[in-house]
Amino acid sequence: KAGVTQTPRYLIKTRGQQVTLSCSPISGHRSVSWYQQTPGQGLQFLFEYFSETQRNKGNFPGRFSGRQFSNSRSEMNVSTLELGDSALYLCASSPGQGARQDTEAFFGQGTRLTVV
Amino acid sequence: LAKTTQPISMDSYEGQEVNITCSHNNIATNDYITWYQQFPSQGPRFIIQGYKTKVTNEVASLFIPADRKSSTLSLPRVSLSDTAVYYCLVGDSQAGTALIFGKGTTLSVSS
Repeated sequence: KAGVTQTPRYLIKTRGQQVTLSCSPISGHRSVSWYQQTPGQGLQFLFEYFSETQRNKGNFPGRFSGRQFSNSRSEMNVSTLELGDSALYLCASSPGQGARQDTEAFFGQGTRLTVV
Repeated sequence: LAKTTQPISMDSYEGQEVNITCSHNNIATNDYITWYQQFPSQGPRFIIQGYKTKVTNEVASLFIPADRKSSTLSLPRVSLSDTAVYYCLVGDSQAGTALIFGKGTTLSVSS
């Protein structure tokens, strides 16, 4: 069974640009969550989608957005990139109705975004 | 969600048993305790989860005392490949879907 796939693995963008990251969850998983990881702030929750609906959102500015398609694949978009957006962006998929505290979340390898 | 406290770092040698303790003094009745492992530039990987007493799987054991205010992840006979960051998470299965990660414990295993 294929794991969570994130593309691209690495990305370099310029300040002010926008970027779209993609996540394909494990087959059959309908919940996809996104996290940002930086050395200073650690792993922080961005948002979670289930059945094409955003169900939960972390404390990030509106420049960060996402969506989920009918096949459960998800994309996240960051507009007007800032240097501080440089981070490892991780996607996780979960069975059932989400990354609940009593279920296992399966993470992808992440997309390393560098903003210059 | 209950706040967790773990040691920032630990050192060990190959073949030893490693115990990482997590403190969660304000854990709620419905909260589960979950541990994840993360290698550099990879996503976290689920290790083990428990609610009370002891849980064991093929890679680790989780010990939870009766008051549930702490928990201990036990890694038997560690190897160099167990060098990673270990996160303890505590959360209510009904309280939402976001996983809240703390700073984690960096385990360094030497030969």
